[in-house]
Amino acid sequence: AQSVAQPEDQVNVAEGNPLTVKCTYSVSGNPYLFWYVQYPNRGLQFLLKYITGDNLVKGSYGFEAEFNKSQTSFHLKKPSALVSDSALYFCAVRDLRGGGFKTIFGAGTRLFVKA
Amino acid sequence: SAVISQKPSRDICQRGTSLTIQCQVDSQVTMMFWYRQQPGQSLTLIATANQGSEATYESGFVIDKFPISRPNLTFSTLTVSNMSPEDSSIYLCSVDEGPMNTEAFFGQGTRLTVV
Repeated sequence: AQSVAQPEDQVNVAEGNPLTVKCTYSVSGNPYLFWYVQYPNRGLQFLLKYITGDNLVKGSYGFEAEFNKSQTSFHLKKPSALVSDSALYFCAVRDLRGGGFKTIFGAGTRLFVKA
Repeated sequence: SAVISQKPSRDICQRGTSLTIQCQVDSQVTMMFWYRQQPGQSLTLIATANQGSEATYESGFVIDKFPISRPNLTFSTLTVSNMSPEDSSIYLCSVDEGPMNTEAFFGQGTRLTVV
């Protein structure tokens, strides 16, 4: 079965410092991996995705993610954090059963960026 | 990208009553999904709503409690029936056209409080 794990409930980082939000996956077949962000009282917004190709994927708001097949990881990164990046981040994977239309979400990681 | 409007954005309801949440998309889509999210928690899929057929419910969710309508390719409703405080949650509408390498899009959510 497809699944993703986000081992950290919360990540704290100072503004201007690099940030990493961790995600590991377990899939059968090719992984289709996504990162979403949720700001307070808002729906989820798509950040980036890995389908195939370069292991380093660039997305919205300066975020990037590195796909590592040997470590089955898809960590979200940003070189310099902003206070406005404080939000809830979800890693997600496509459920390939039944046509692959469902998305399975991790537990979420709350990012706090301190000024 | 699809633009999704959800109504109401929030509501406070008495236990034993029902609330219908509306989801309107600005383009025709095949697949629509309804999720539940406890504040600060991950998303749990309630059901998949396809136009012209009965919704497909996930384990733990039943039609009598969460009836869904999908009258056309741009609109769906989710009703939370006979509410109890345990139904207090955020309900999110999502659309996903597939294929597997595309991302899902979300409404801003409906924050429901049952008192």
